[in-house]
Amino acid sequence: DVKVTQSSRYLVKRTGEKVFLECVQDMDHENMFWYRQDPGLGLRLIYFSYDVKMKEKGDIPEGYSVSREKKERFSLILESASTNQTSMYLCASTKGGAGREEQYFGPGTRLTVT
Amino acid sequence: AQSVTQLDSQVPVFEEAPVELRCNYSSSVSVYLFWYVQYPNQGLQLLLKYLSGSTLVKGINGFEAEFNKSQTSFHLRKPSVHISDTAEYFCAVMDTGRRALTFGSGTRLQVQP
Repeated sequence: DVKVTQSSRYLVKRTGEKVFLECVQDMDHENMFWYRQDPGLGLRLIYFSYDVKMKEKGDIPEGYSVSREKKERFSLILESASTNQTSMYLCASTKGGAGREEQYFGPGTRLTVT
Repeated sequence: AQSVTQLDSQVPVFEEAPVELRCNYSSSVSVYLFWYVQYPNQGLQLLLKYLSGSTLVKGINGFEAEFNKSQTSFHLRKPSVHISDTAEYFCAVMDTGRRALTFGSGTRLQVQP
């Protein structure tokens, strides 16, 4: 079975802190994604990566950056956390290609910024 | 740009009744269409997908969806729901040739005994 793991289920940080959210997949997938999920808004794409060291902005990249130094790991970075970044963050991965493949999701990290 | 509209934010239904969750999309090119389900405190998992071919797609847990190109819809149906189907359901679309999904806002299905 494909497994996508996220480093924390729950995280509480203070405004202005630098926050790292880690995601690891074990199926040698080329593509990895970070979404945030908010009630009434569904999932919105923050960034994605289709290869090591490659990244593309999604629909809401402002205030975030990403890092992909190894194929299995994709990190989301909040350089200076703000209260409006309180949300559920979901990581996903999929095999390479033009999007026909299923995306596999991690369990999510619920981040609270106080 | 592509977009997805799920018209119903919540759908209450009694156990063993049929259900339809509506999804409409807009895109200027051909698309792939997906339904994902999120059970409480879990990540999303794929229910079914339409890539090409037959417009009626069958998925897991007895769900099916029909792609209607003229109405740009991809509604999800189940003839008889169970308590265990209580979850949030997300419709998603991807332009062919792109790698990222665009999700709808979700529909919370509440199955009552």
